[in-house]
Amino acid sequence: SAVISQKPSRDICQRGTSLTIQCQVDSQVTMMFWYRQQPGQSLTLIATANQGSEATYESGFVIDKFPISRPNLTFSTLTVSNMSPEDSSIYLCSVGEGEKLFFGSGTQLSVL
Amino acid sequence: GENVEQHPSTLSVQEGDSAVIKCTYSDSASNYFPWYKQELGKRPQLIIDIRSNVGEKKDQRIAVTLNKTAKHFSLHITETQPEDSAVYFCAASGGSNYKLTFGKGTLLTVNP
Repeated sequence: SAVISQKPSRDICQRGTSLTIQCQVDSQVTMMFWYRQQPGQSLTLIATANQGSEATYESGFVIDKFPISRPNLTFSTLTVSNMSPEDSSIYLCSVGEGEKLFFGSGTQLSVL
Repeated sequence: GENVEQHPSTLSVQEGDSAVIKCTYSDSASNYFPWYKQELGKRPQLIIDIRSNVGEKKDQRIAVTLNKTAKHFSLHITETQPEDSAVYFCAASGGSNYKLTFGKGTLLTVNP
């Protein structure tokens, strides 16, 4: 499976600020997704990162809060904007290979 | 949309015993059912998956069964070992997209 690198691995941020998370894949992939995992919870899809076009957001997630870029088939970024303590979560990049979904190592975000 | 229910939320077994985790799904169009293992502080890892045209799949000590009529599927782990201790997530996807809907997870503890 593809090697998925994500950075930063963790960060502590002040409320009201923004953080951009990067996801790099070692091969070209068509399907790329961003998930959120709140403490002790399951995984929730934020959006599908579409190459060369606007991301497709799931219900409850909006572009102004979670802008996503996908400039090519190997890279994507997720920004968490105007953060509040409720944004404290693990954010996971994932790629689809056929039907299978593989995850990056995640970014653990704490907002104070 | 799809809804996936997972039971139990916690499961404690003695080393060598079997463990069974059950999931139900709501969307009859779903046709792909993966299971993920997430160790503490690690990314979710795909351990086994099954398609709707298959009733059972086995890989060494783990197996998955699917009942399409009842819309439920189960993970079976035999001869459990302490390293099997983790959170296990079931998921479902199907139709025209590859987005996964996850269950809430089962914390499996294998006591030596």
